[in-house]
Amino acid sequence: DVKVTQSSRYLVKRTGEKVFLECVQDMDHENMFWYRQDPGLGLRLIYFSYDVKMKEKGDIPEGYSVSREKKERFSLILESASTNQTSMYLCASSLRLAGRSDFGPGTRLLVL
Amino acid sequence: AQSVTQLGSHVSVSEGALVLLRCNYSSSVPPYLFWYVQYPNQGLQLLLKYTTGATLVKGINGFEAEFKKSETSFHLTKPSAHMSDAAEYFCAVSDRGGSEKLVFGKGTKLTVNP
Repeated sequence: DVKVTQSSRYLVKRTGEKVFLECVQDMDHENMFWYRQDPGLGLRLIYFSYDVKMKEKGDIPEGYSVSREKKERFSLILESASTNQTSMYLCASSLRLAGRSDFGPGTRLLVL
Repeated sequence: AQSVTQLGSHVSVSEGALVLLRCNYSSSVPPYLFWYVQYPNQGLQLLLKYTTGATLVKGINGFEAEFKKSETSFHLTKPSAHMSDAAEYFCAVSDRGGSEKLVFGKGTKLTVNP
């Protein structure tokens, strides 16, 4: 089974802090994704990466950046956290053309 | 641009009753279609998917969904609800280009009453 792990289940940060969310997958997947989940809005794509050092913006990239230095690791960075970034963040990975994505358990971030 | 509409943010059924969760999509070409389930404080788990072939797709936990191109629908059903089915369900689409980027509906929270 594919395992997608996220560095923290719960995180509390202060406004203005730089925040790193880490995601690691162990199945050599090319694609990795960061989604944000908010009640009543479903999941929205922030960024995705289809190869090492490659990245593309999703639907809501503002206020976020990403880094993919190794194939198995995809980091989401909040350059200066704001209260409207309080949310659940879900990482996913997939093989190209596999027709499915596998999700991590999520990180619930609270920005005070 | 693709979009997904899930009719009903909350659905409540009795244990043993039919579960029907509705999903309609908008896409210029037939997409890949998915249903994911999320239990409290967990990530998303794939229930079933449609890519090609038979339009009636069977998934885990007794769920199935039928792709109807003419209606642009992919409704999820289960003949008899179980208490353990209580969760949030998400319908999603992706294009066929291999990027696997998902566009999600807003979710339907299923409550199962004893």
